[in-house]
Amino acid sequence: AQTVTQSQPEMSVQEAETVTLSCTYDTSESDYYLFWYKQPPSRQMILVIRQEAYKQQNATENRFSVNFQKAAKSFSLKISDSQLGDAAMYFCAYRAHSGAGSYQLTFGKGTKLSVIP
Amino acid sequence: NAGVTQTPKFQVLKTGQSMTLQCAQDMNHEYMSWYRQDPGMGLRLIHYSVGAGITDQGEVPNGYNVSRSTTEDFPLRLLSAAPSQTSVYFCASSYSPGQRKEKLFFGSGTQLSVL
Repeated sequence: AQTVTQSQPEMSVQEAETVTLSCTYDTSESDYYLFWYKQPPSRQMILVIRQEAYKQQNATENRFSVNFQKAAKSFSLKISDSQLGDAAMYFCAYRAHSGAGSYQLTFGKGTKLSVIP
Repeated sequence: NAGVTQTPKFQVLKTGQSMTLQCAQDMNHEYMSWYRQDPGMGLRLIHYSVGAGITDQGEVPNGYNVSRSTTEDFPLRLLSAAPSQTSVYFCASSYSPGQRKEKLFFGSGTQLSVL
């Protein structure tokens, strides 16, 4: 079974600084997707960024970028120029591209990010 | 743009009571699913459906039933609530997971407490 591990239960960052959230995963699949979701206090699940495993290039979305290391099974999220609105729980998630695993997102336990003014 | 609508947003039950969490989407998505989120845990899949009349179990299906009679609706039933089912429940939908550009849309969640 696939597993997703987020080793940092809590992180903090000064406003306008850069922070990196870590995620590792375990899979025997070669084609899959990785995601970072943001969950603010409103409880809404918001997709931050998505990476397709077959793509070498790291995904970026404005101030959010990932460092995808397929061989190391590592998928970290970098938030640049941190803003107060970035404070939230961040979840790393995995999904297989095909087969039964494609119908399930496997989530890590989350990292709570605090932004210090 | 309603997206994925979950009702109710909050619910308190007594042990042994039954209830149905409602989920509806207006995006003509084939895939719908239910997740639960417990403190200190990520979301875990309860059940999912890939179309009307087709459902399957996820990681934590025990104590829950689902059915999919229409494309739009995917209710989650608790037949006899237990304190272990106290959780936040999320419904999510998307086009077929096999499509590379598919995106999972989440509802706003239901906070359920079982006393």
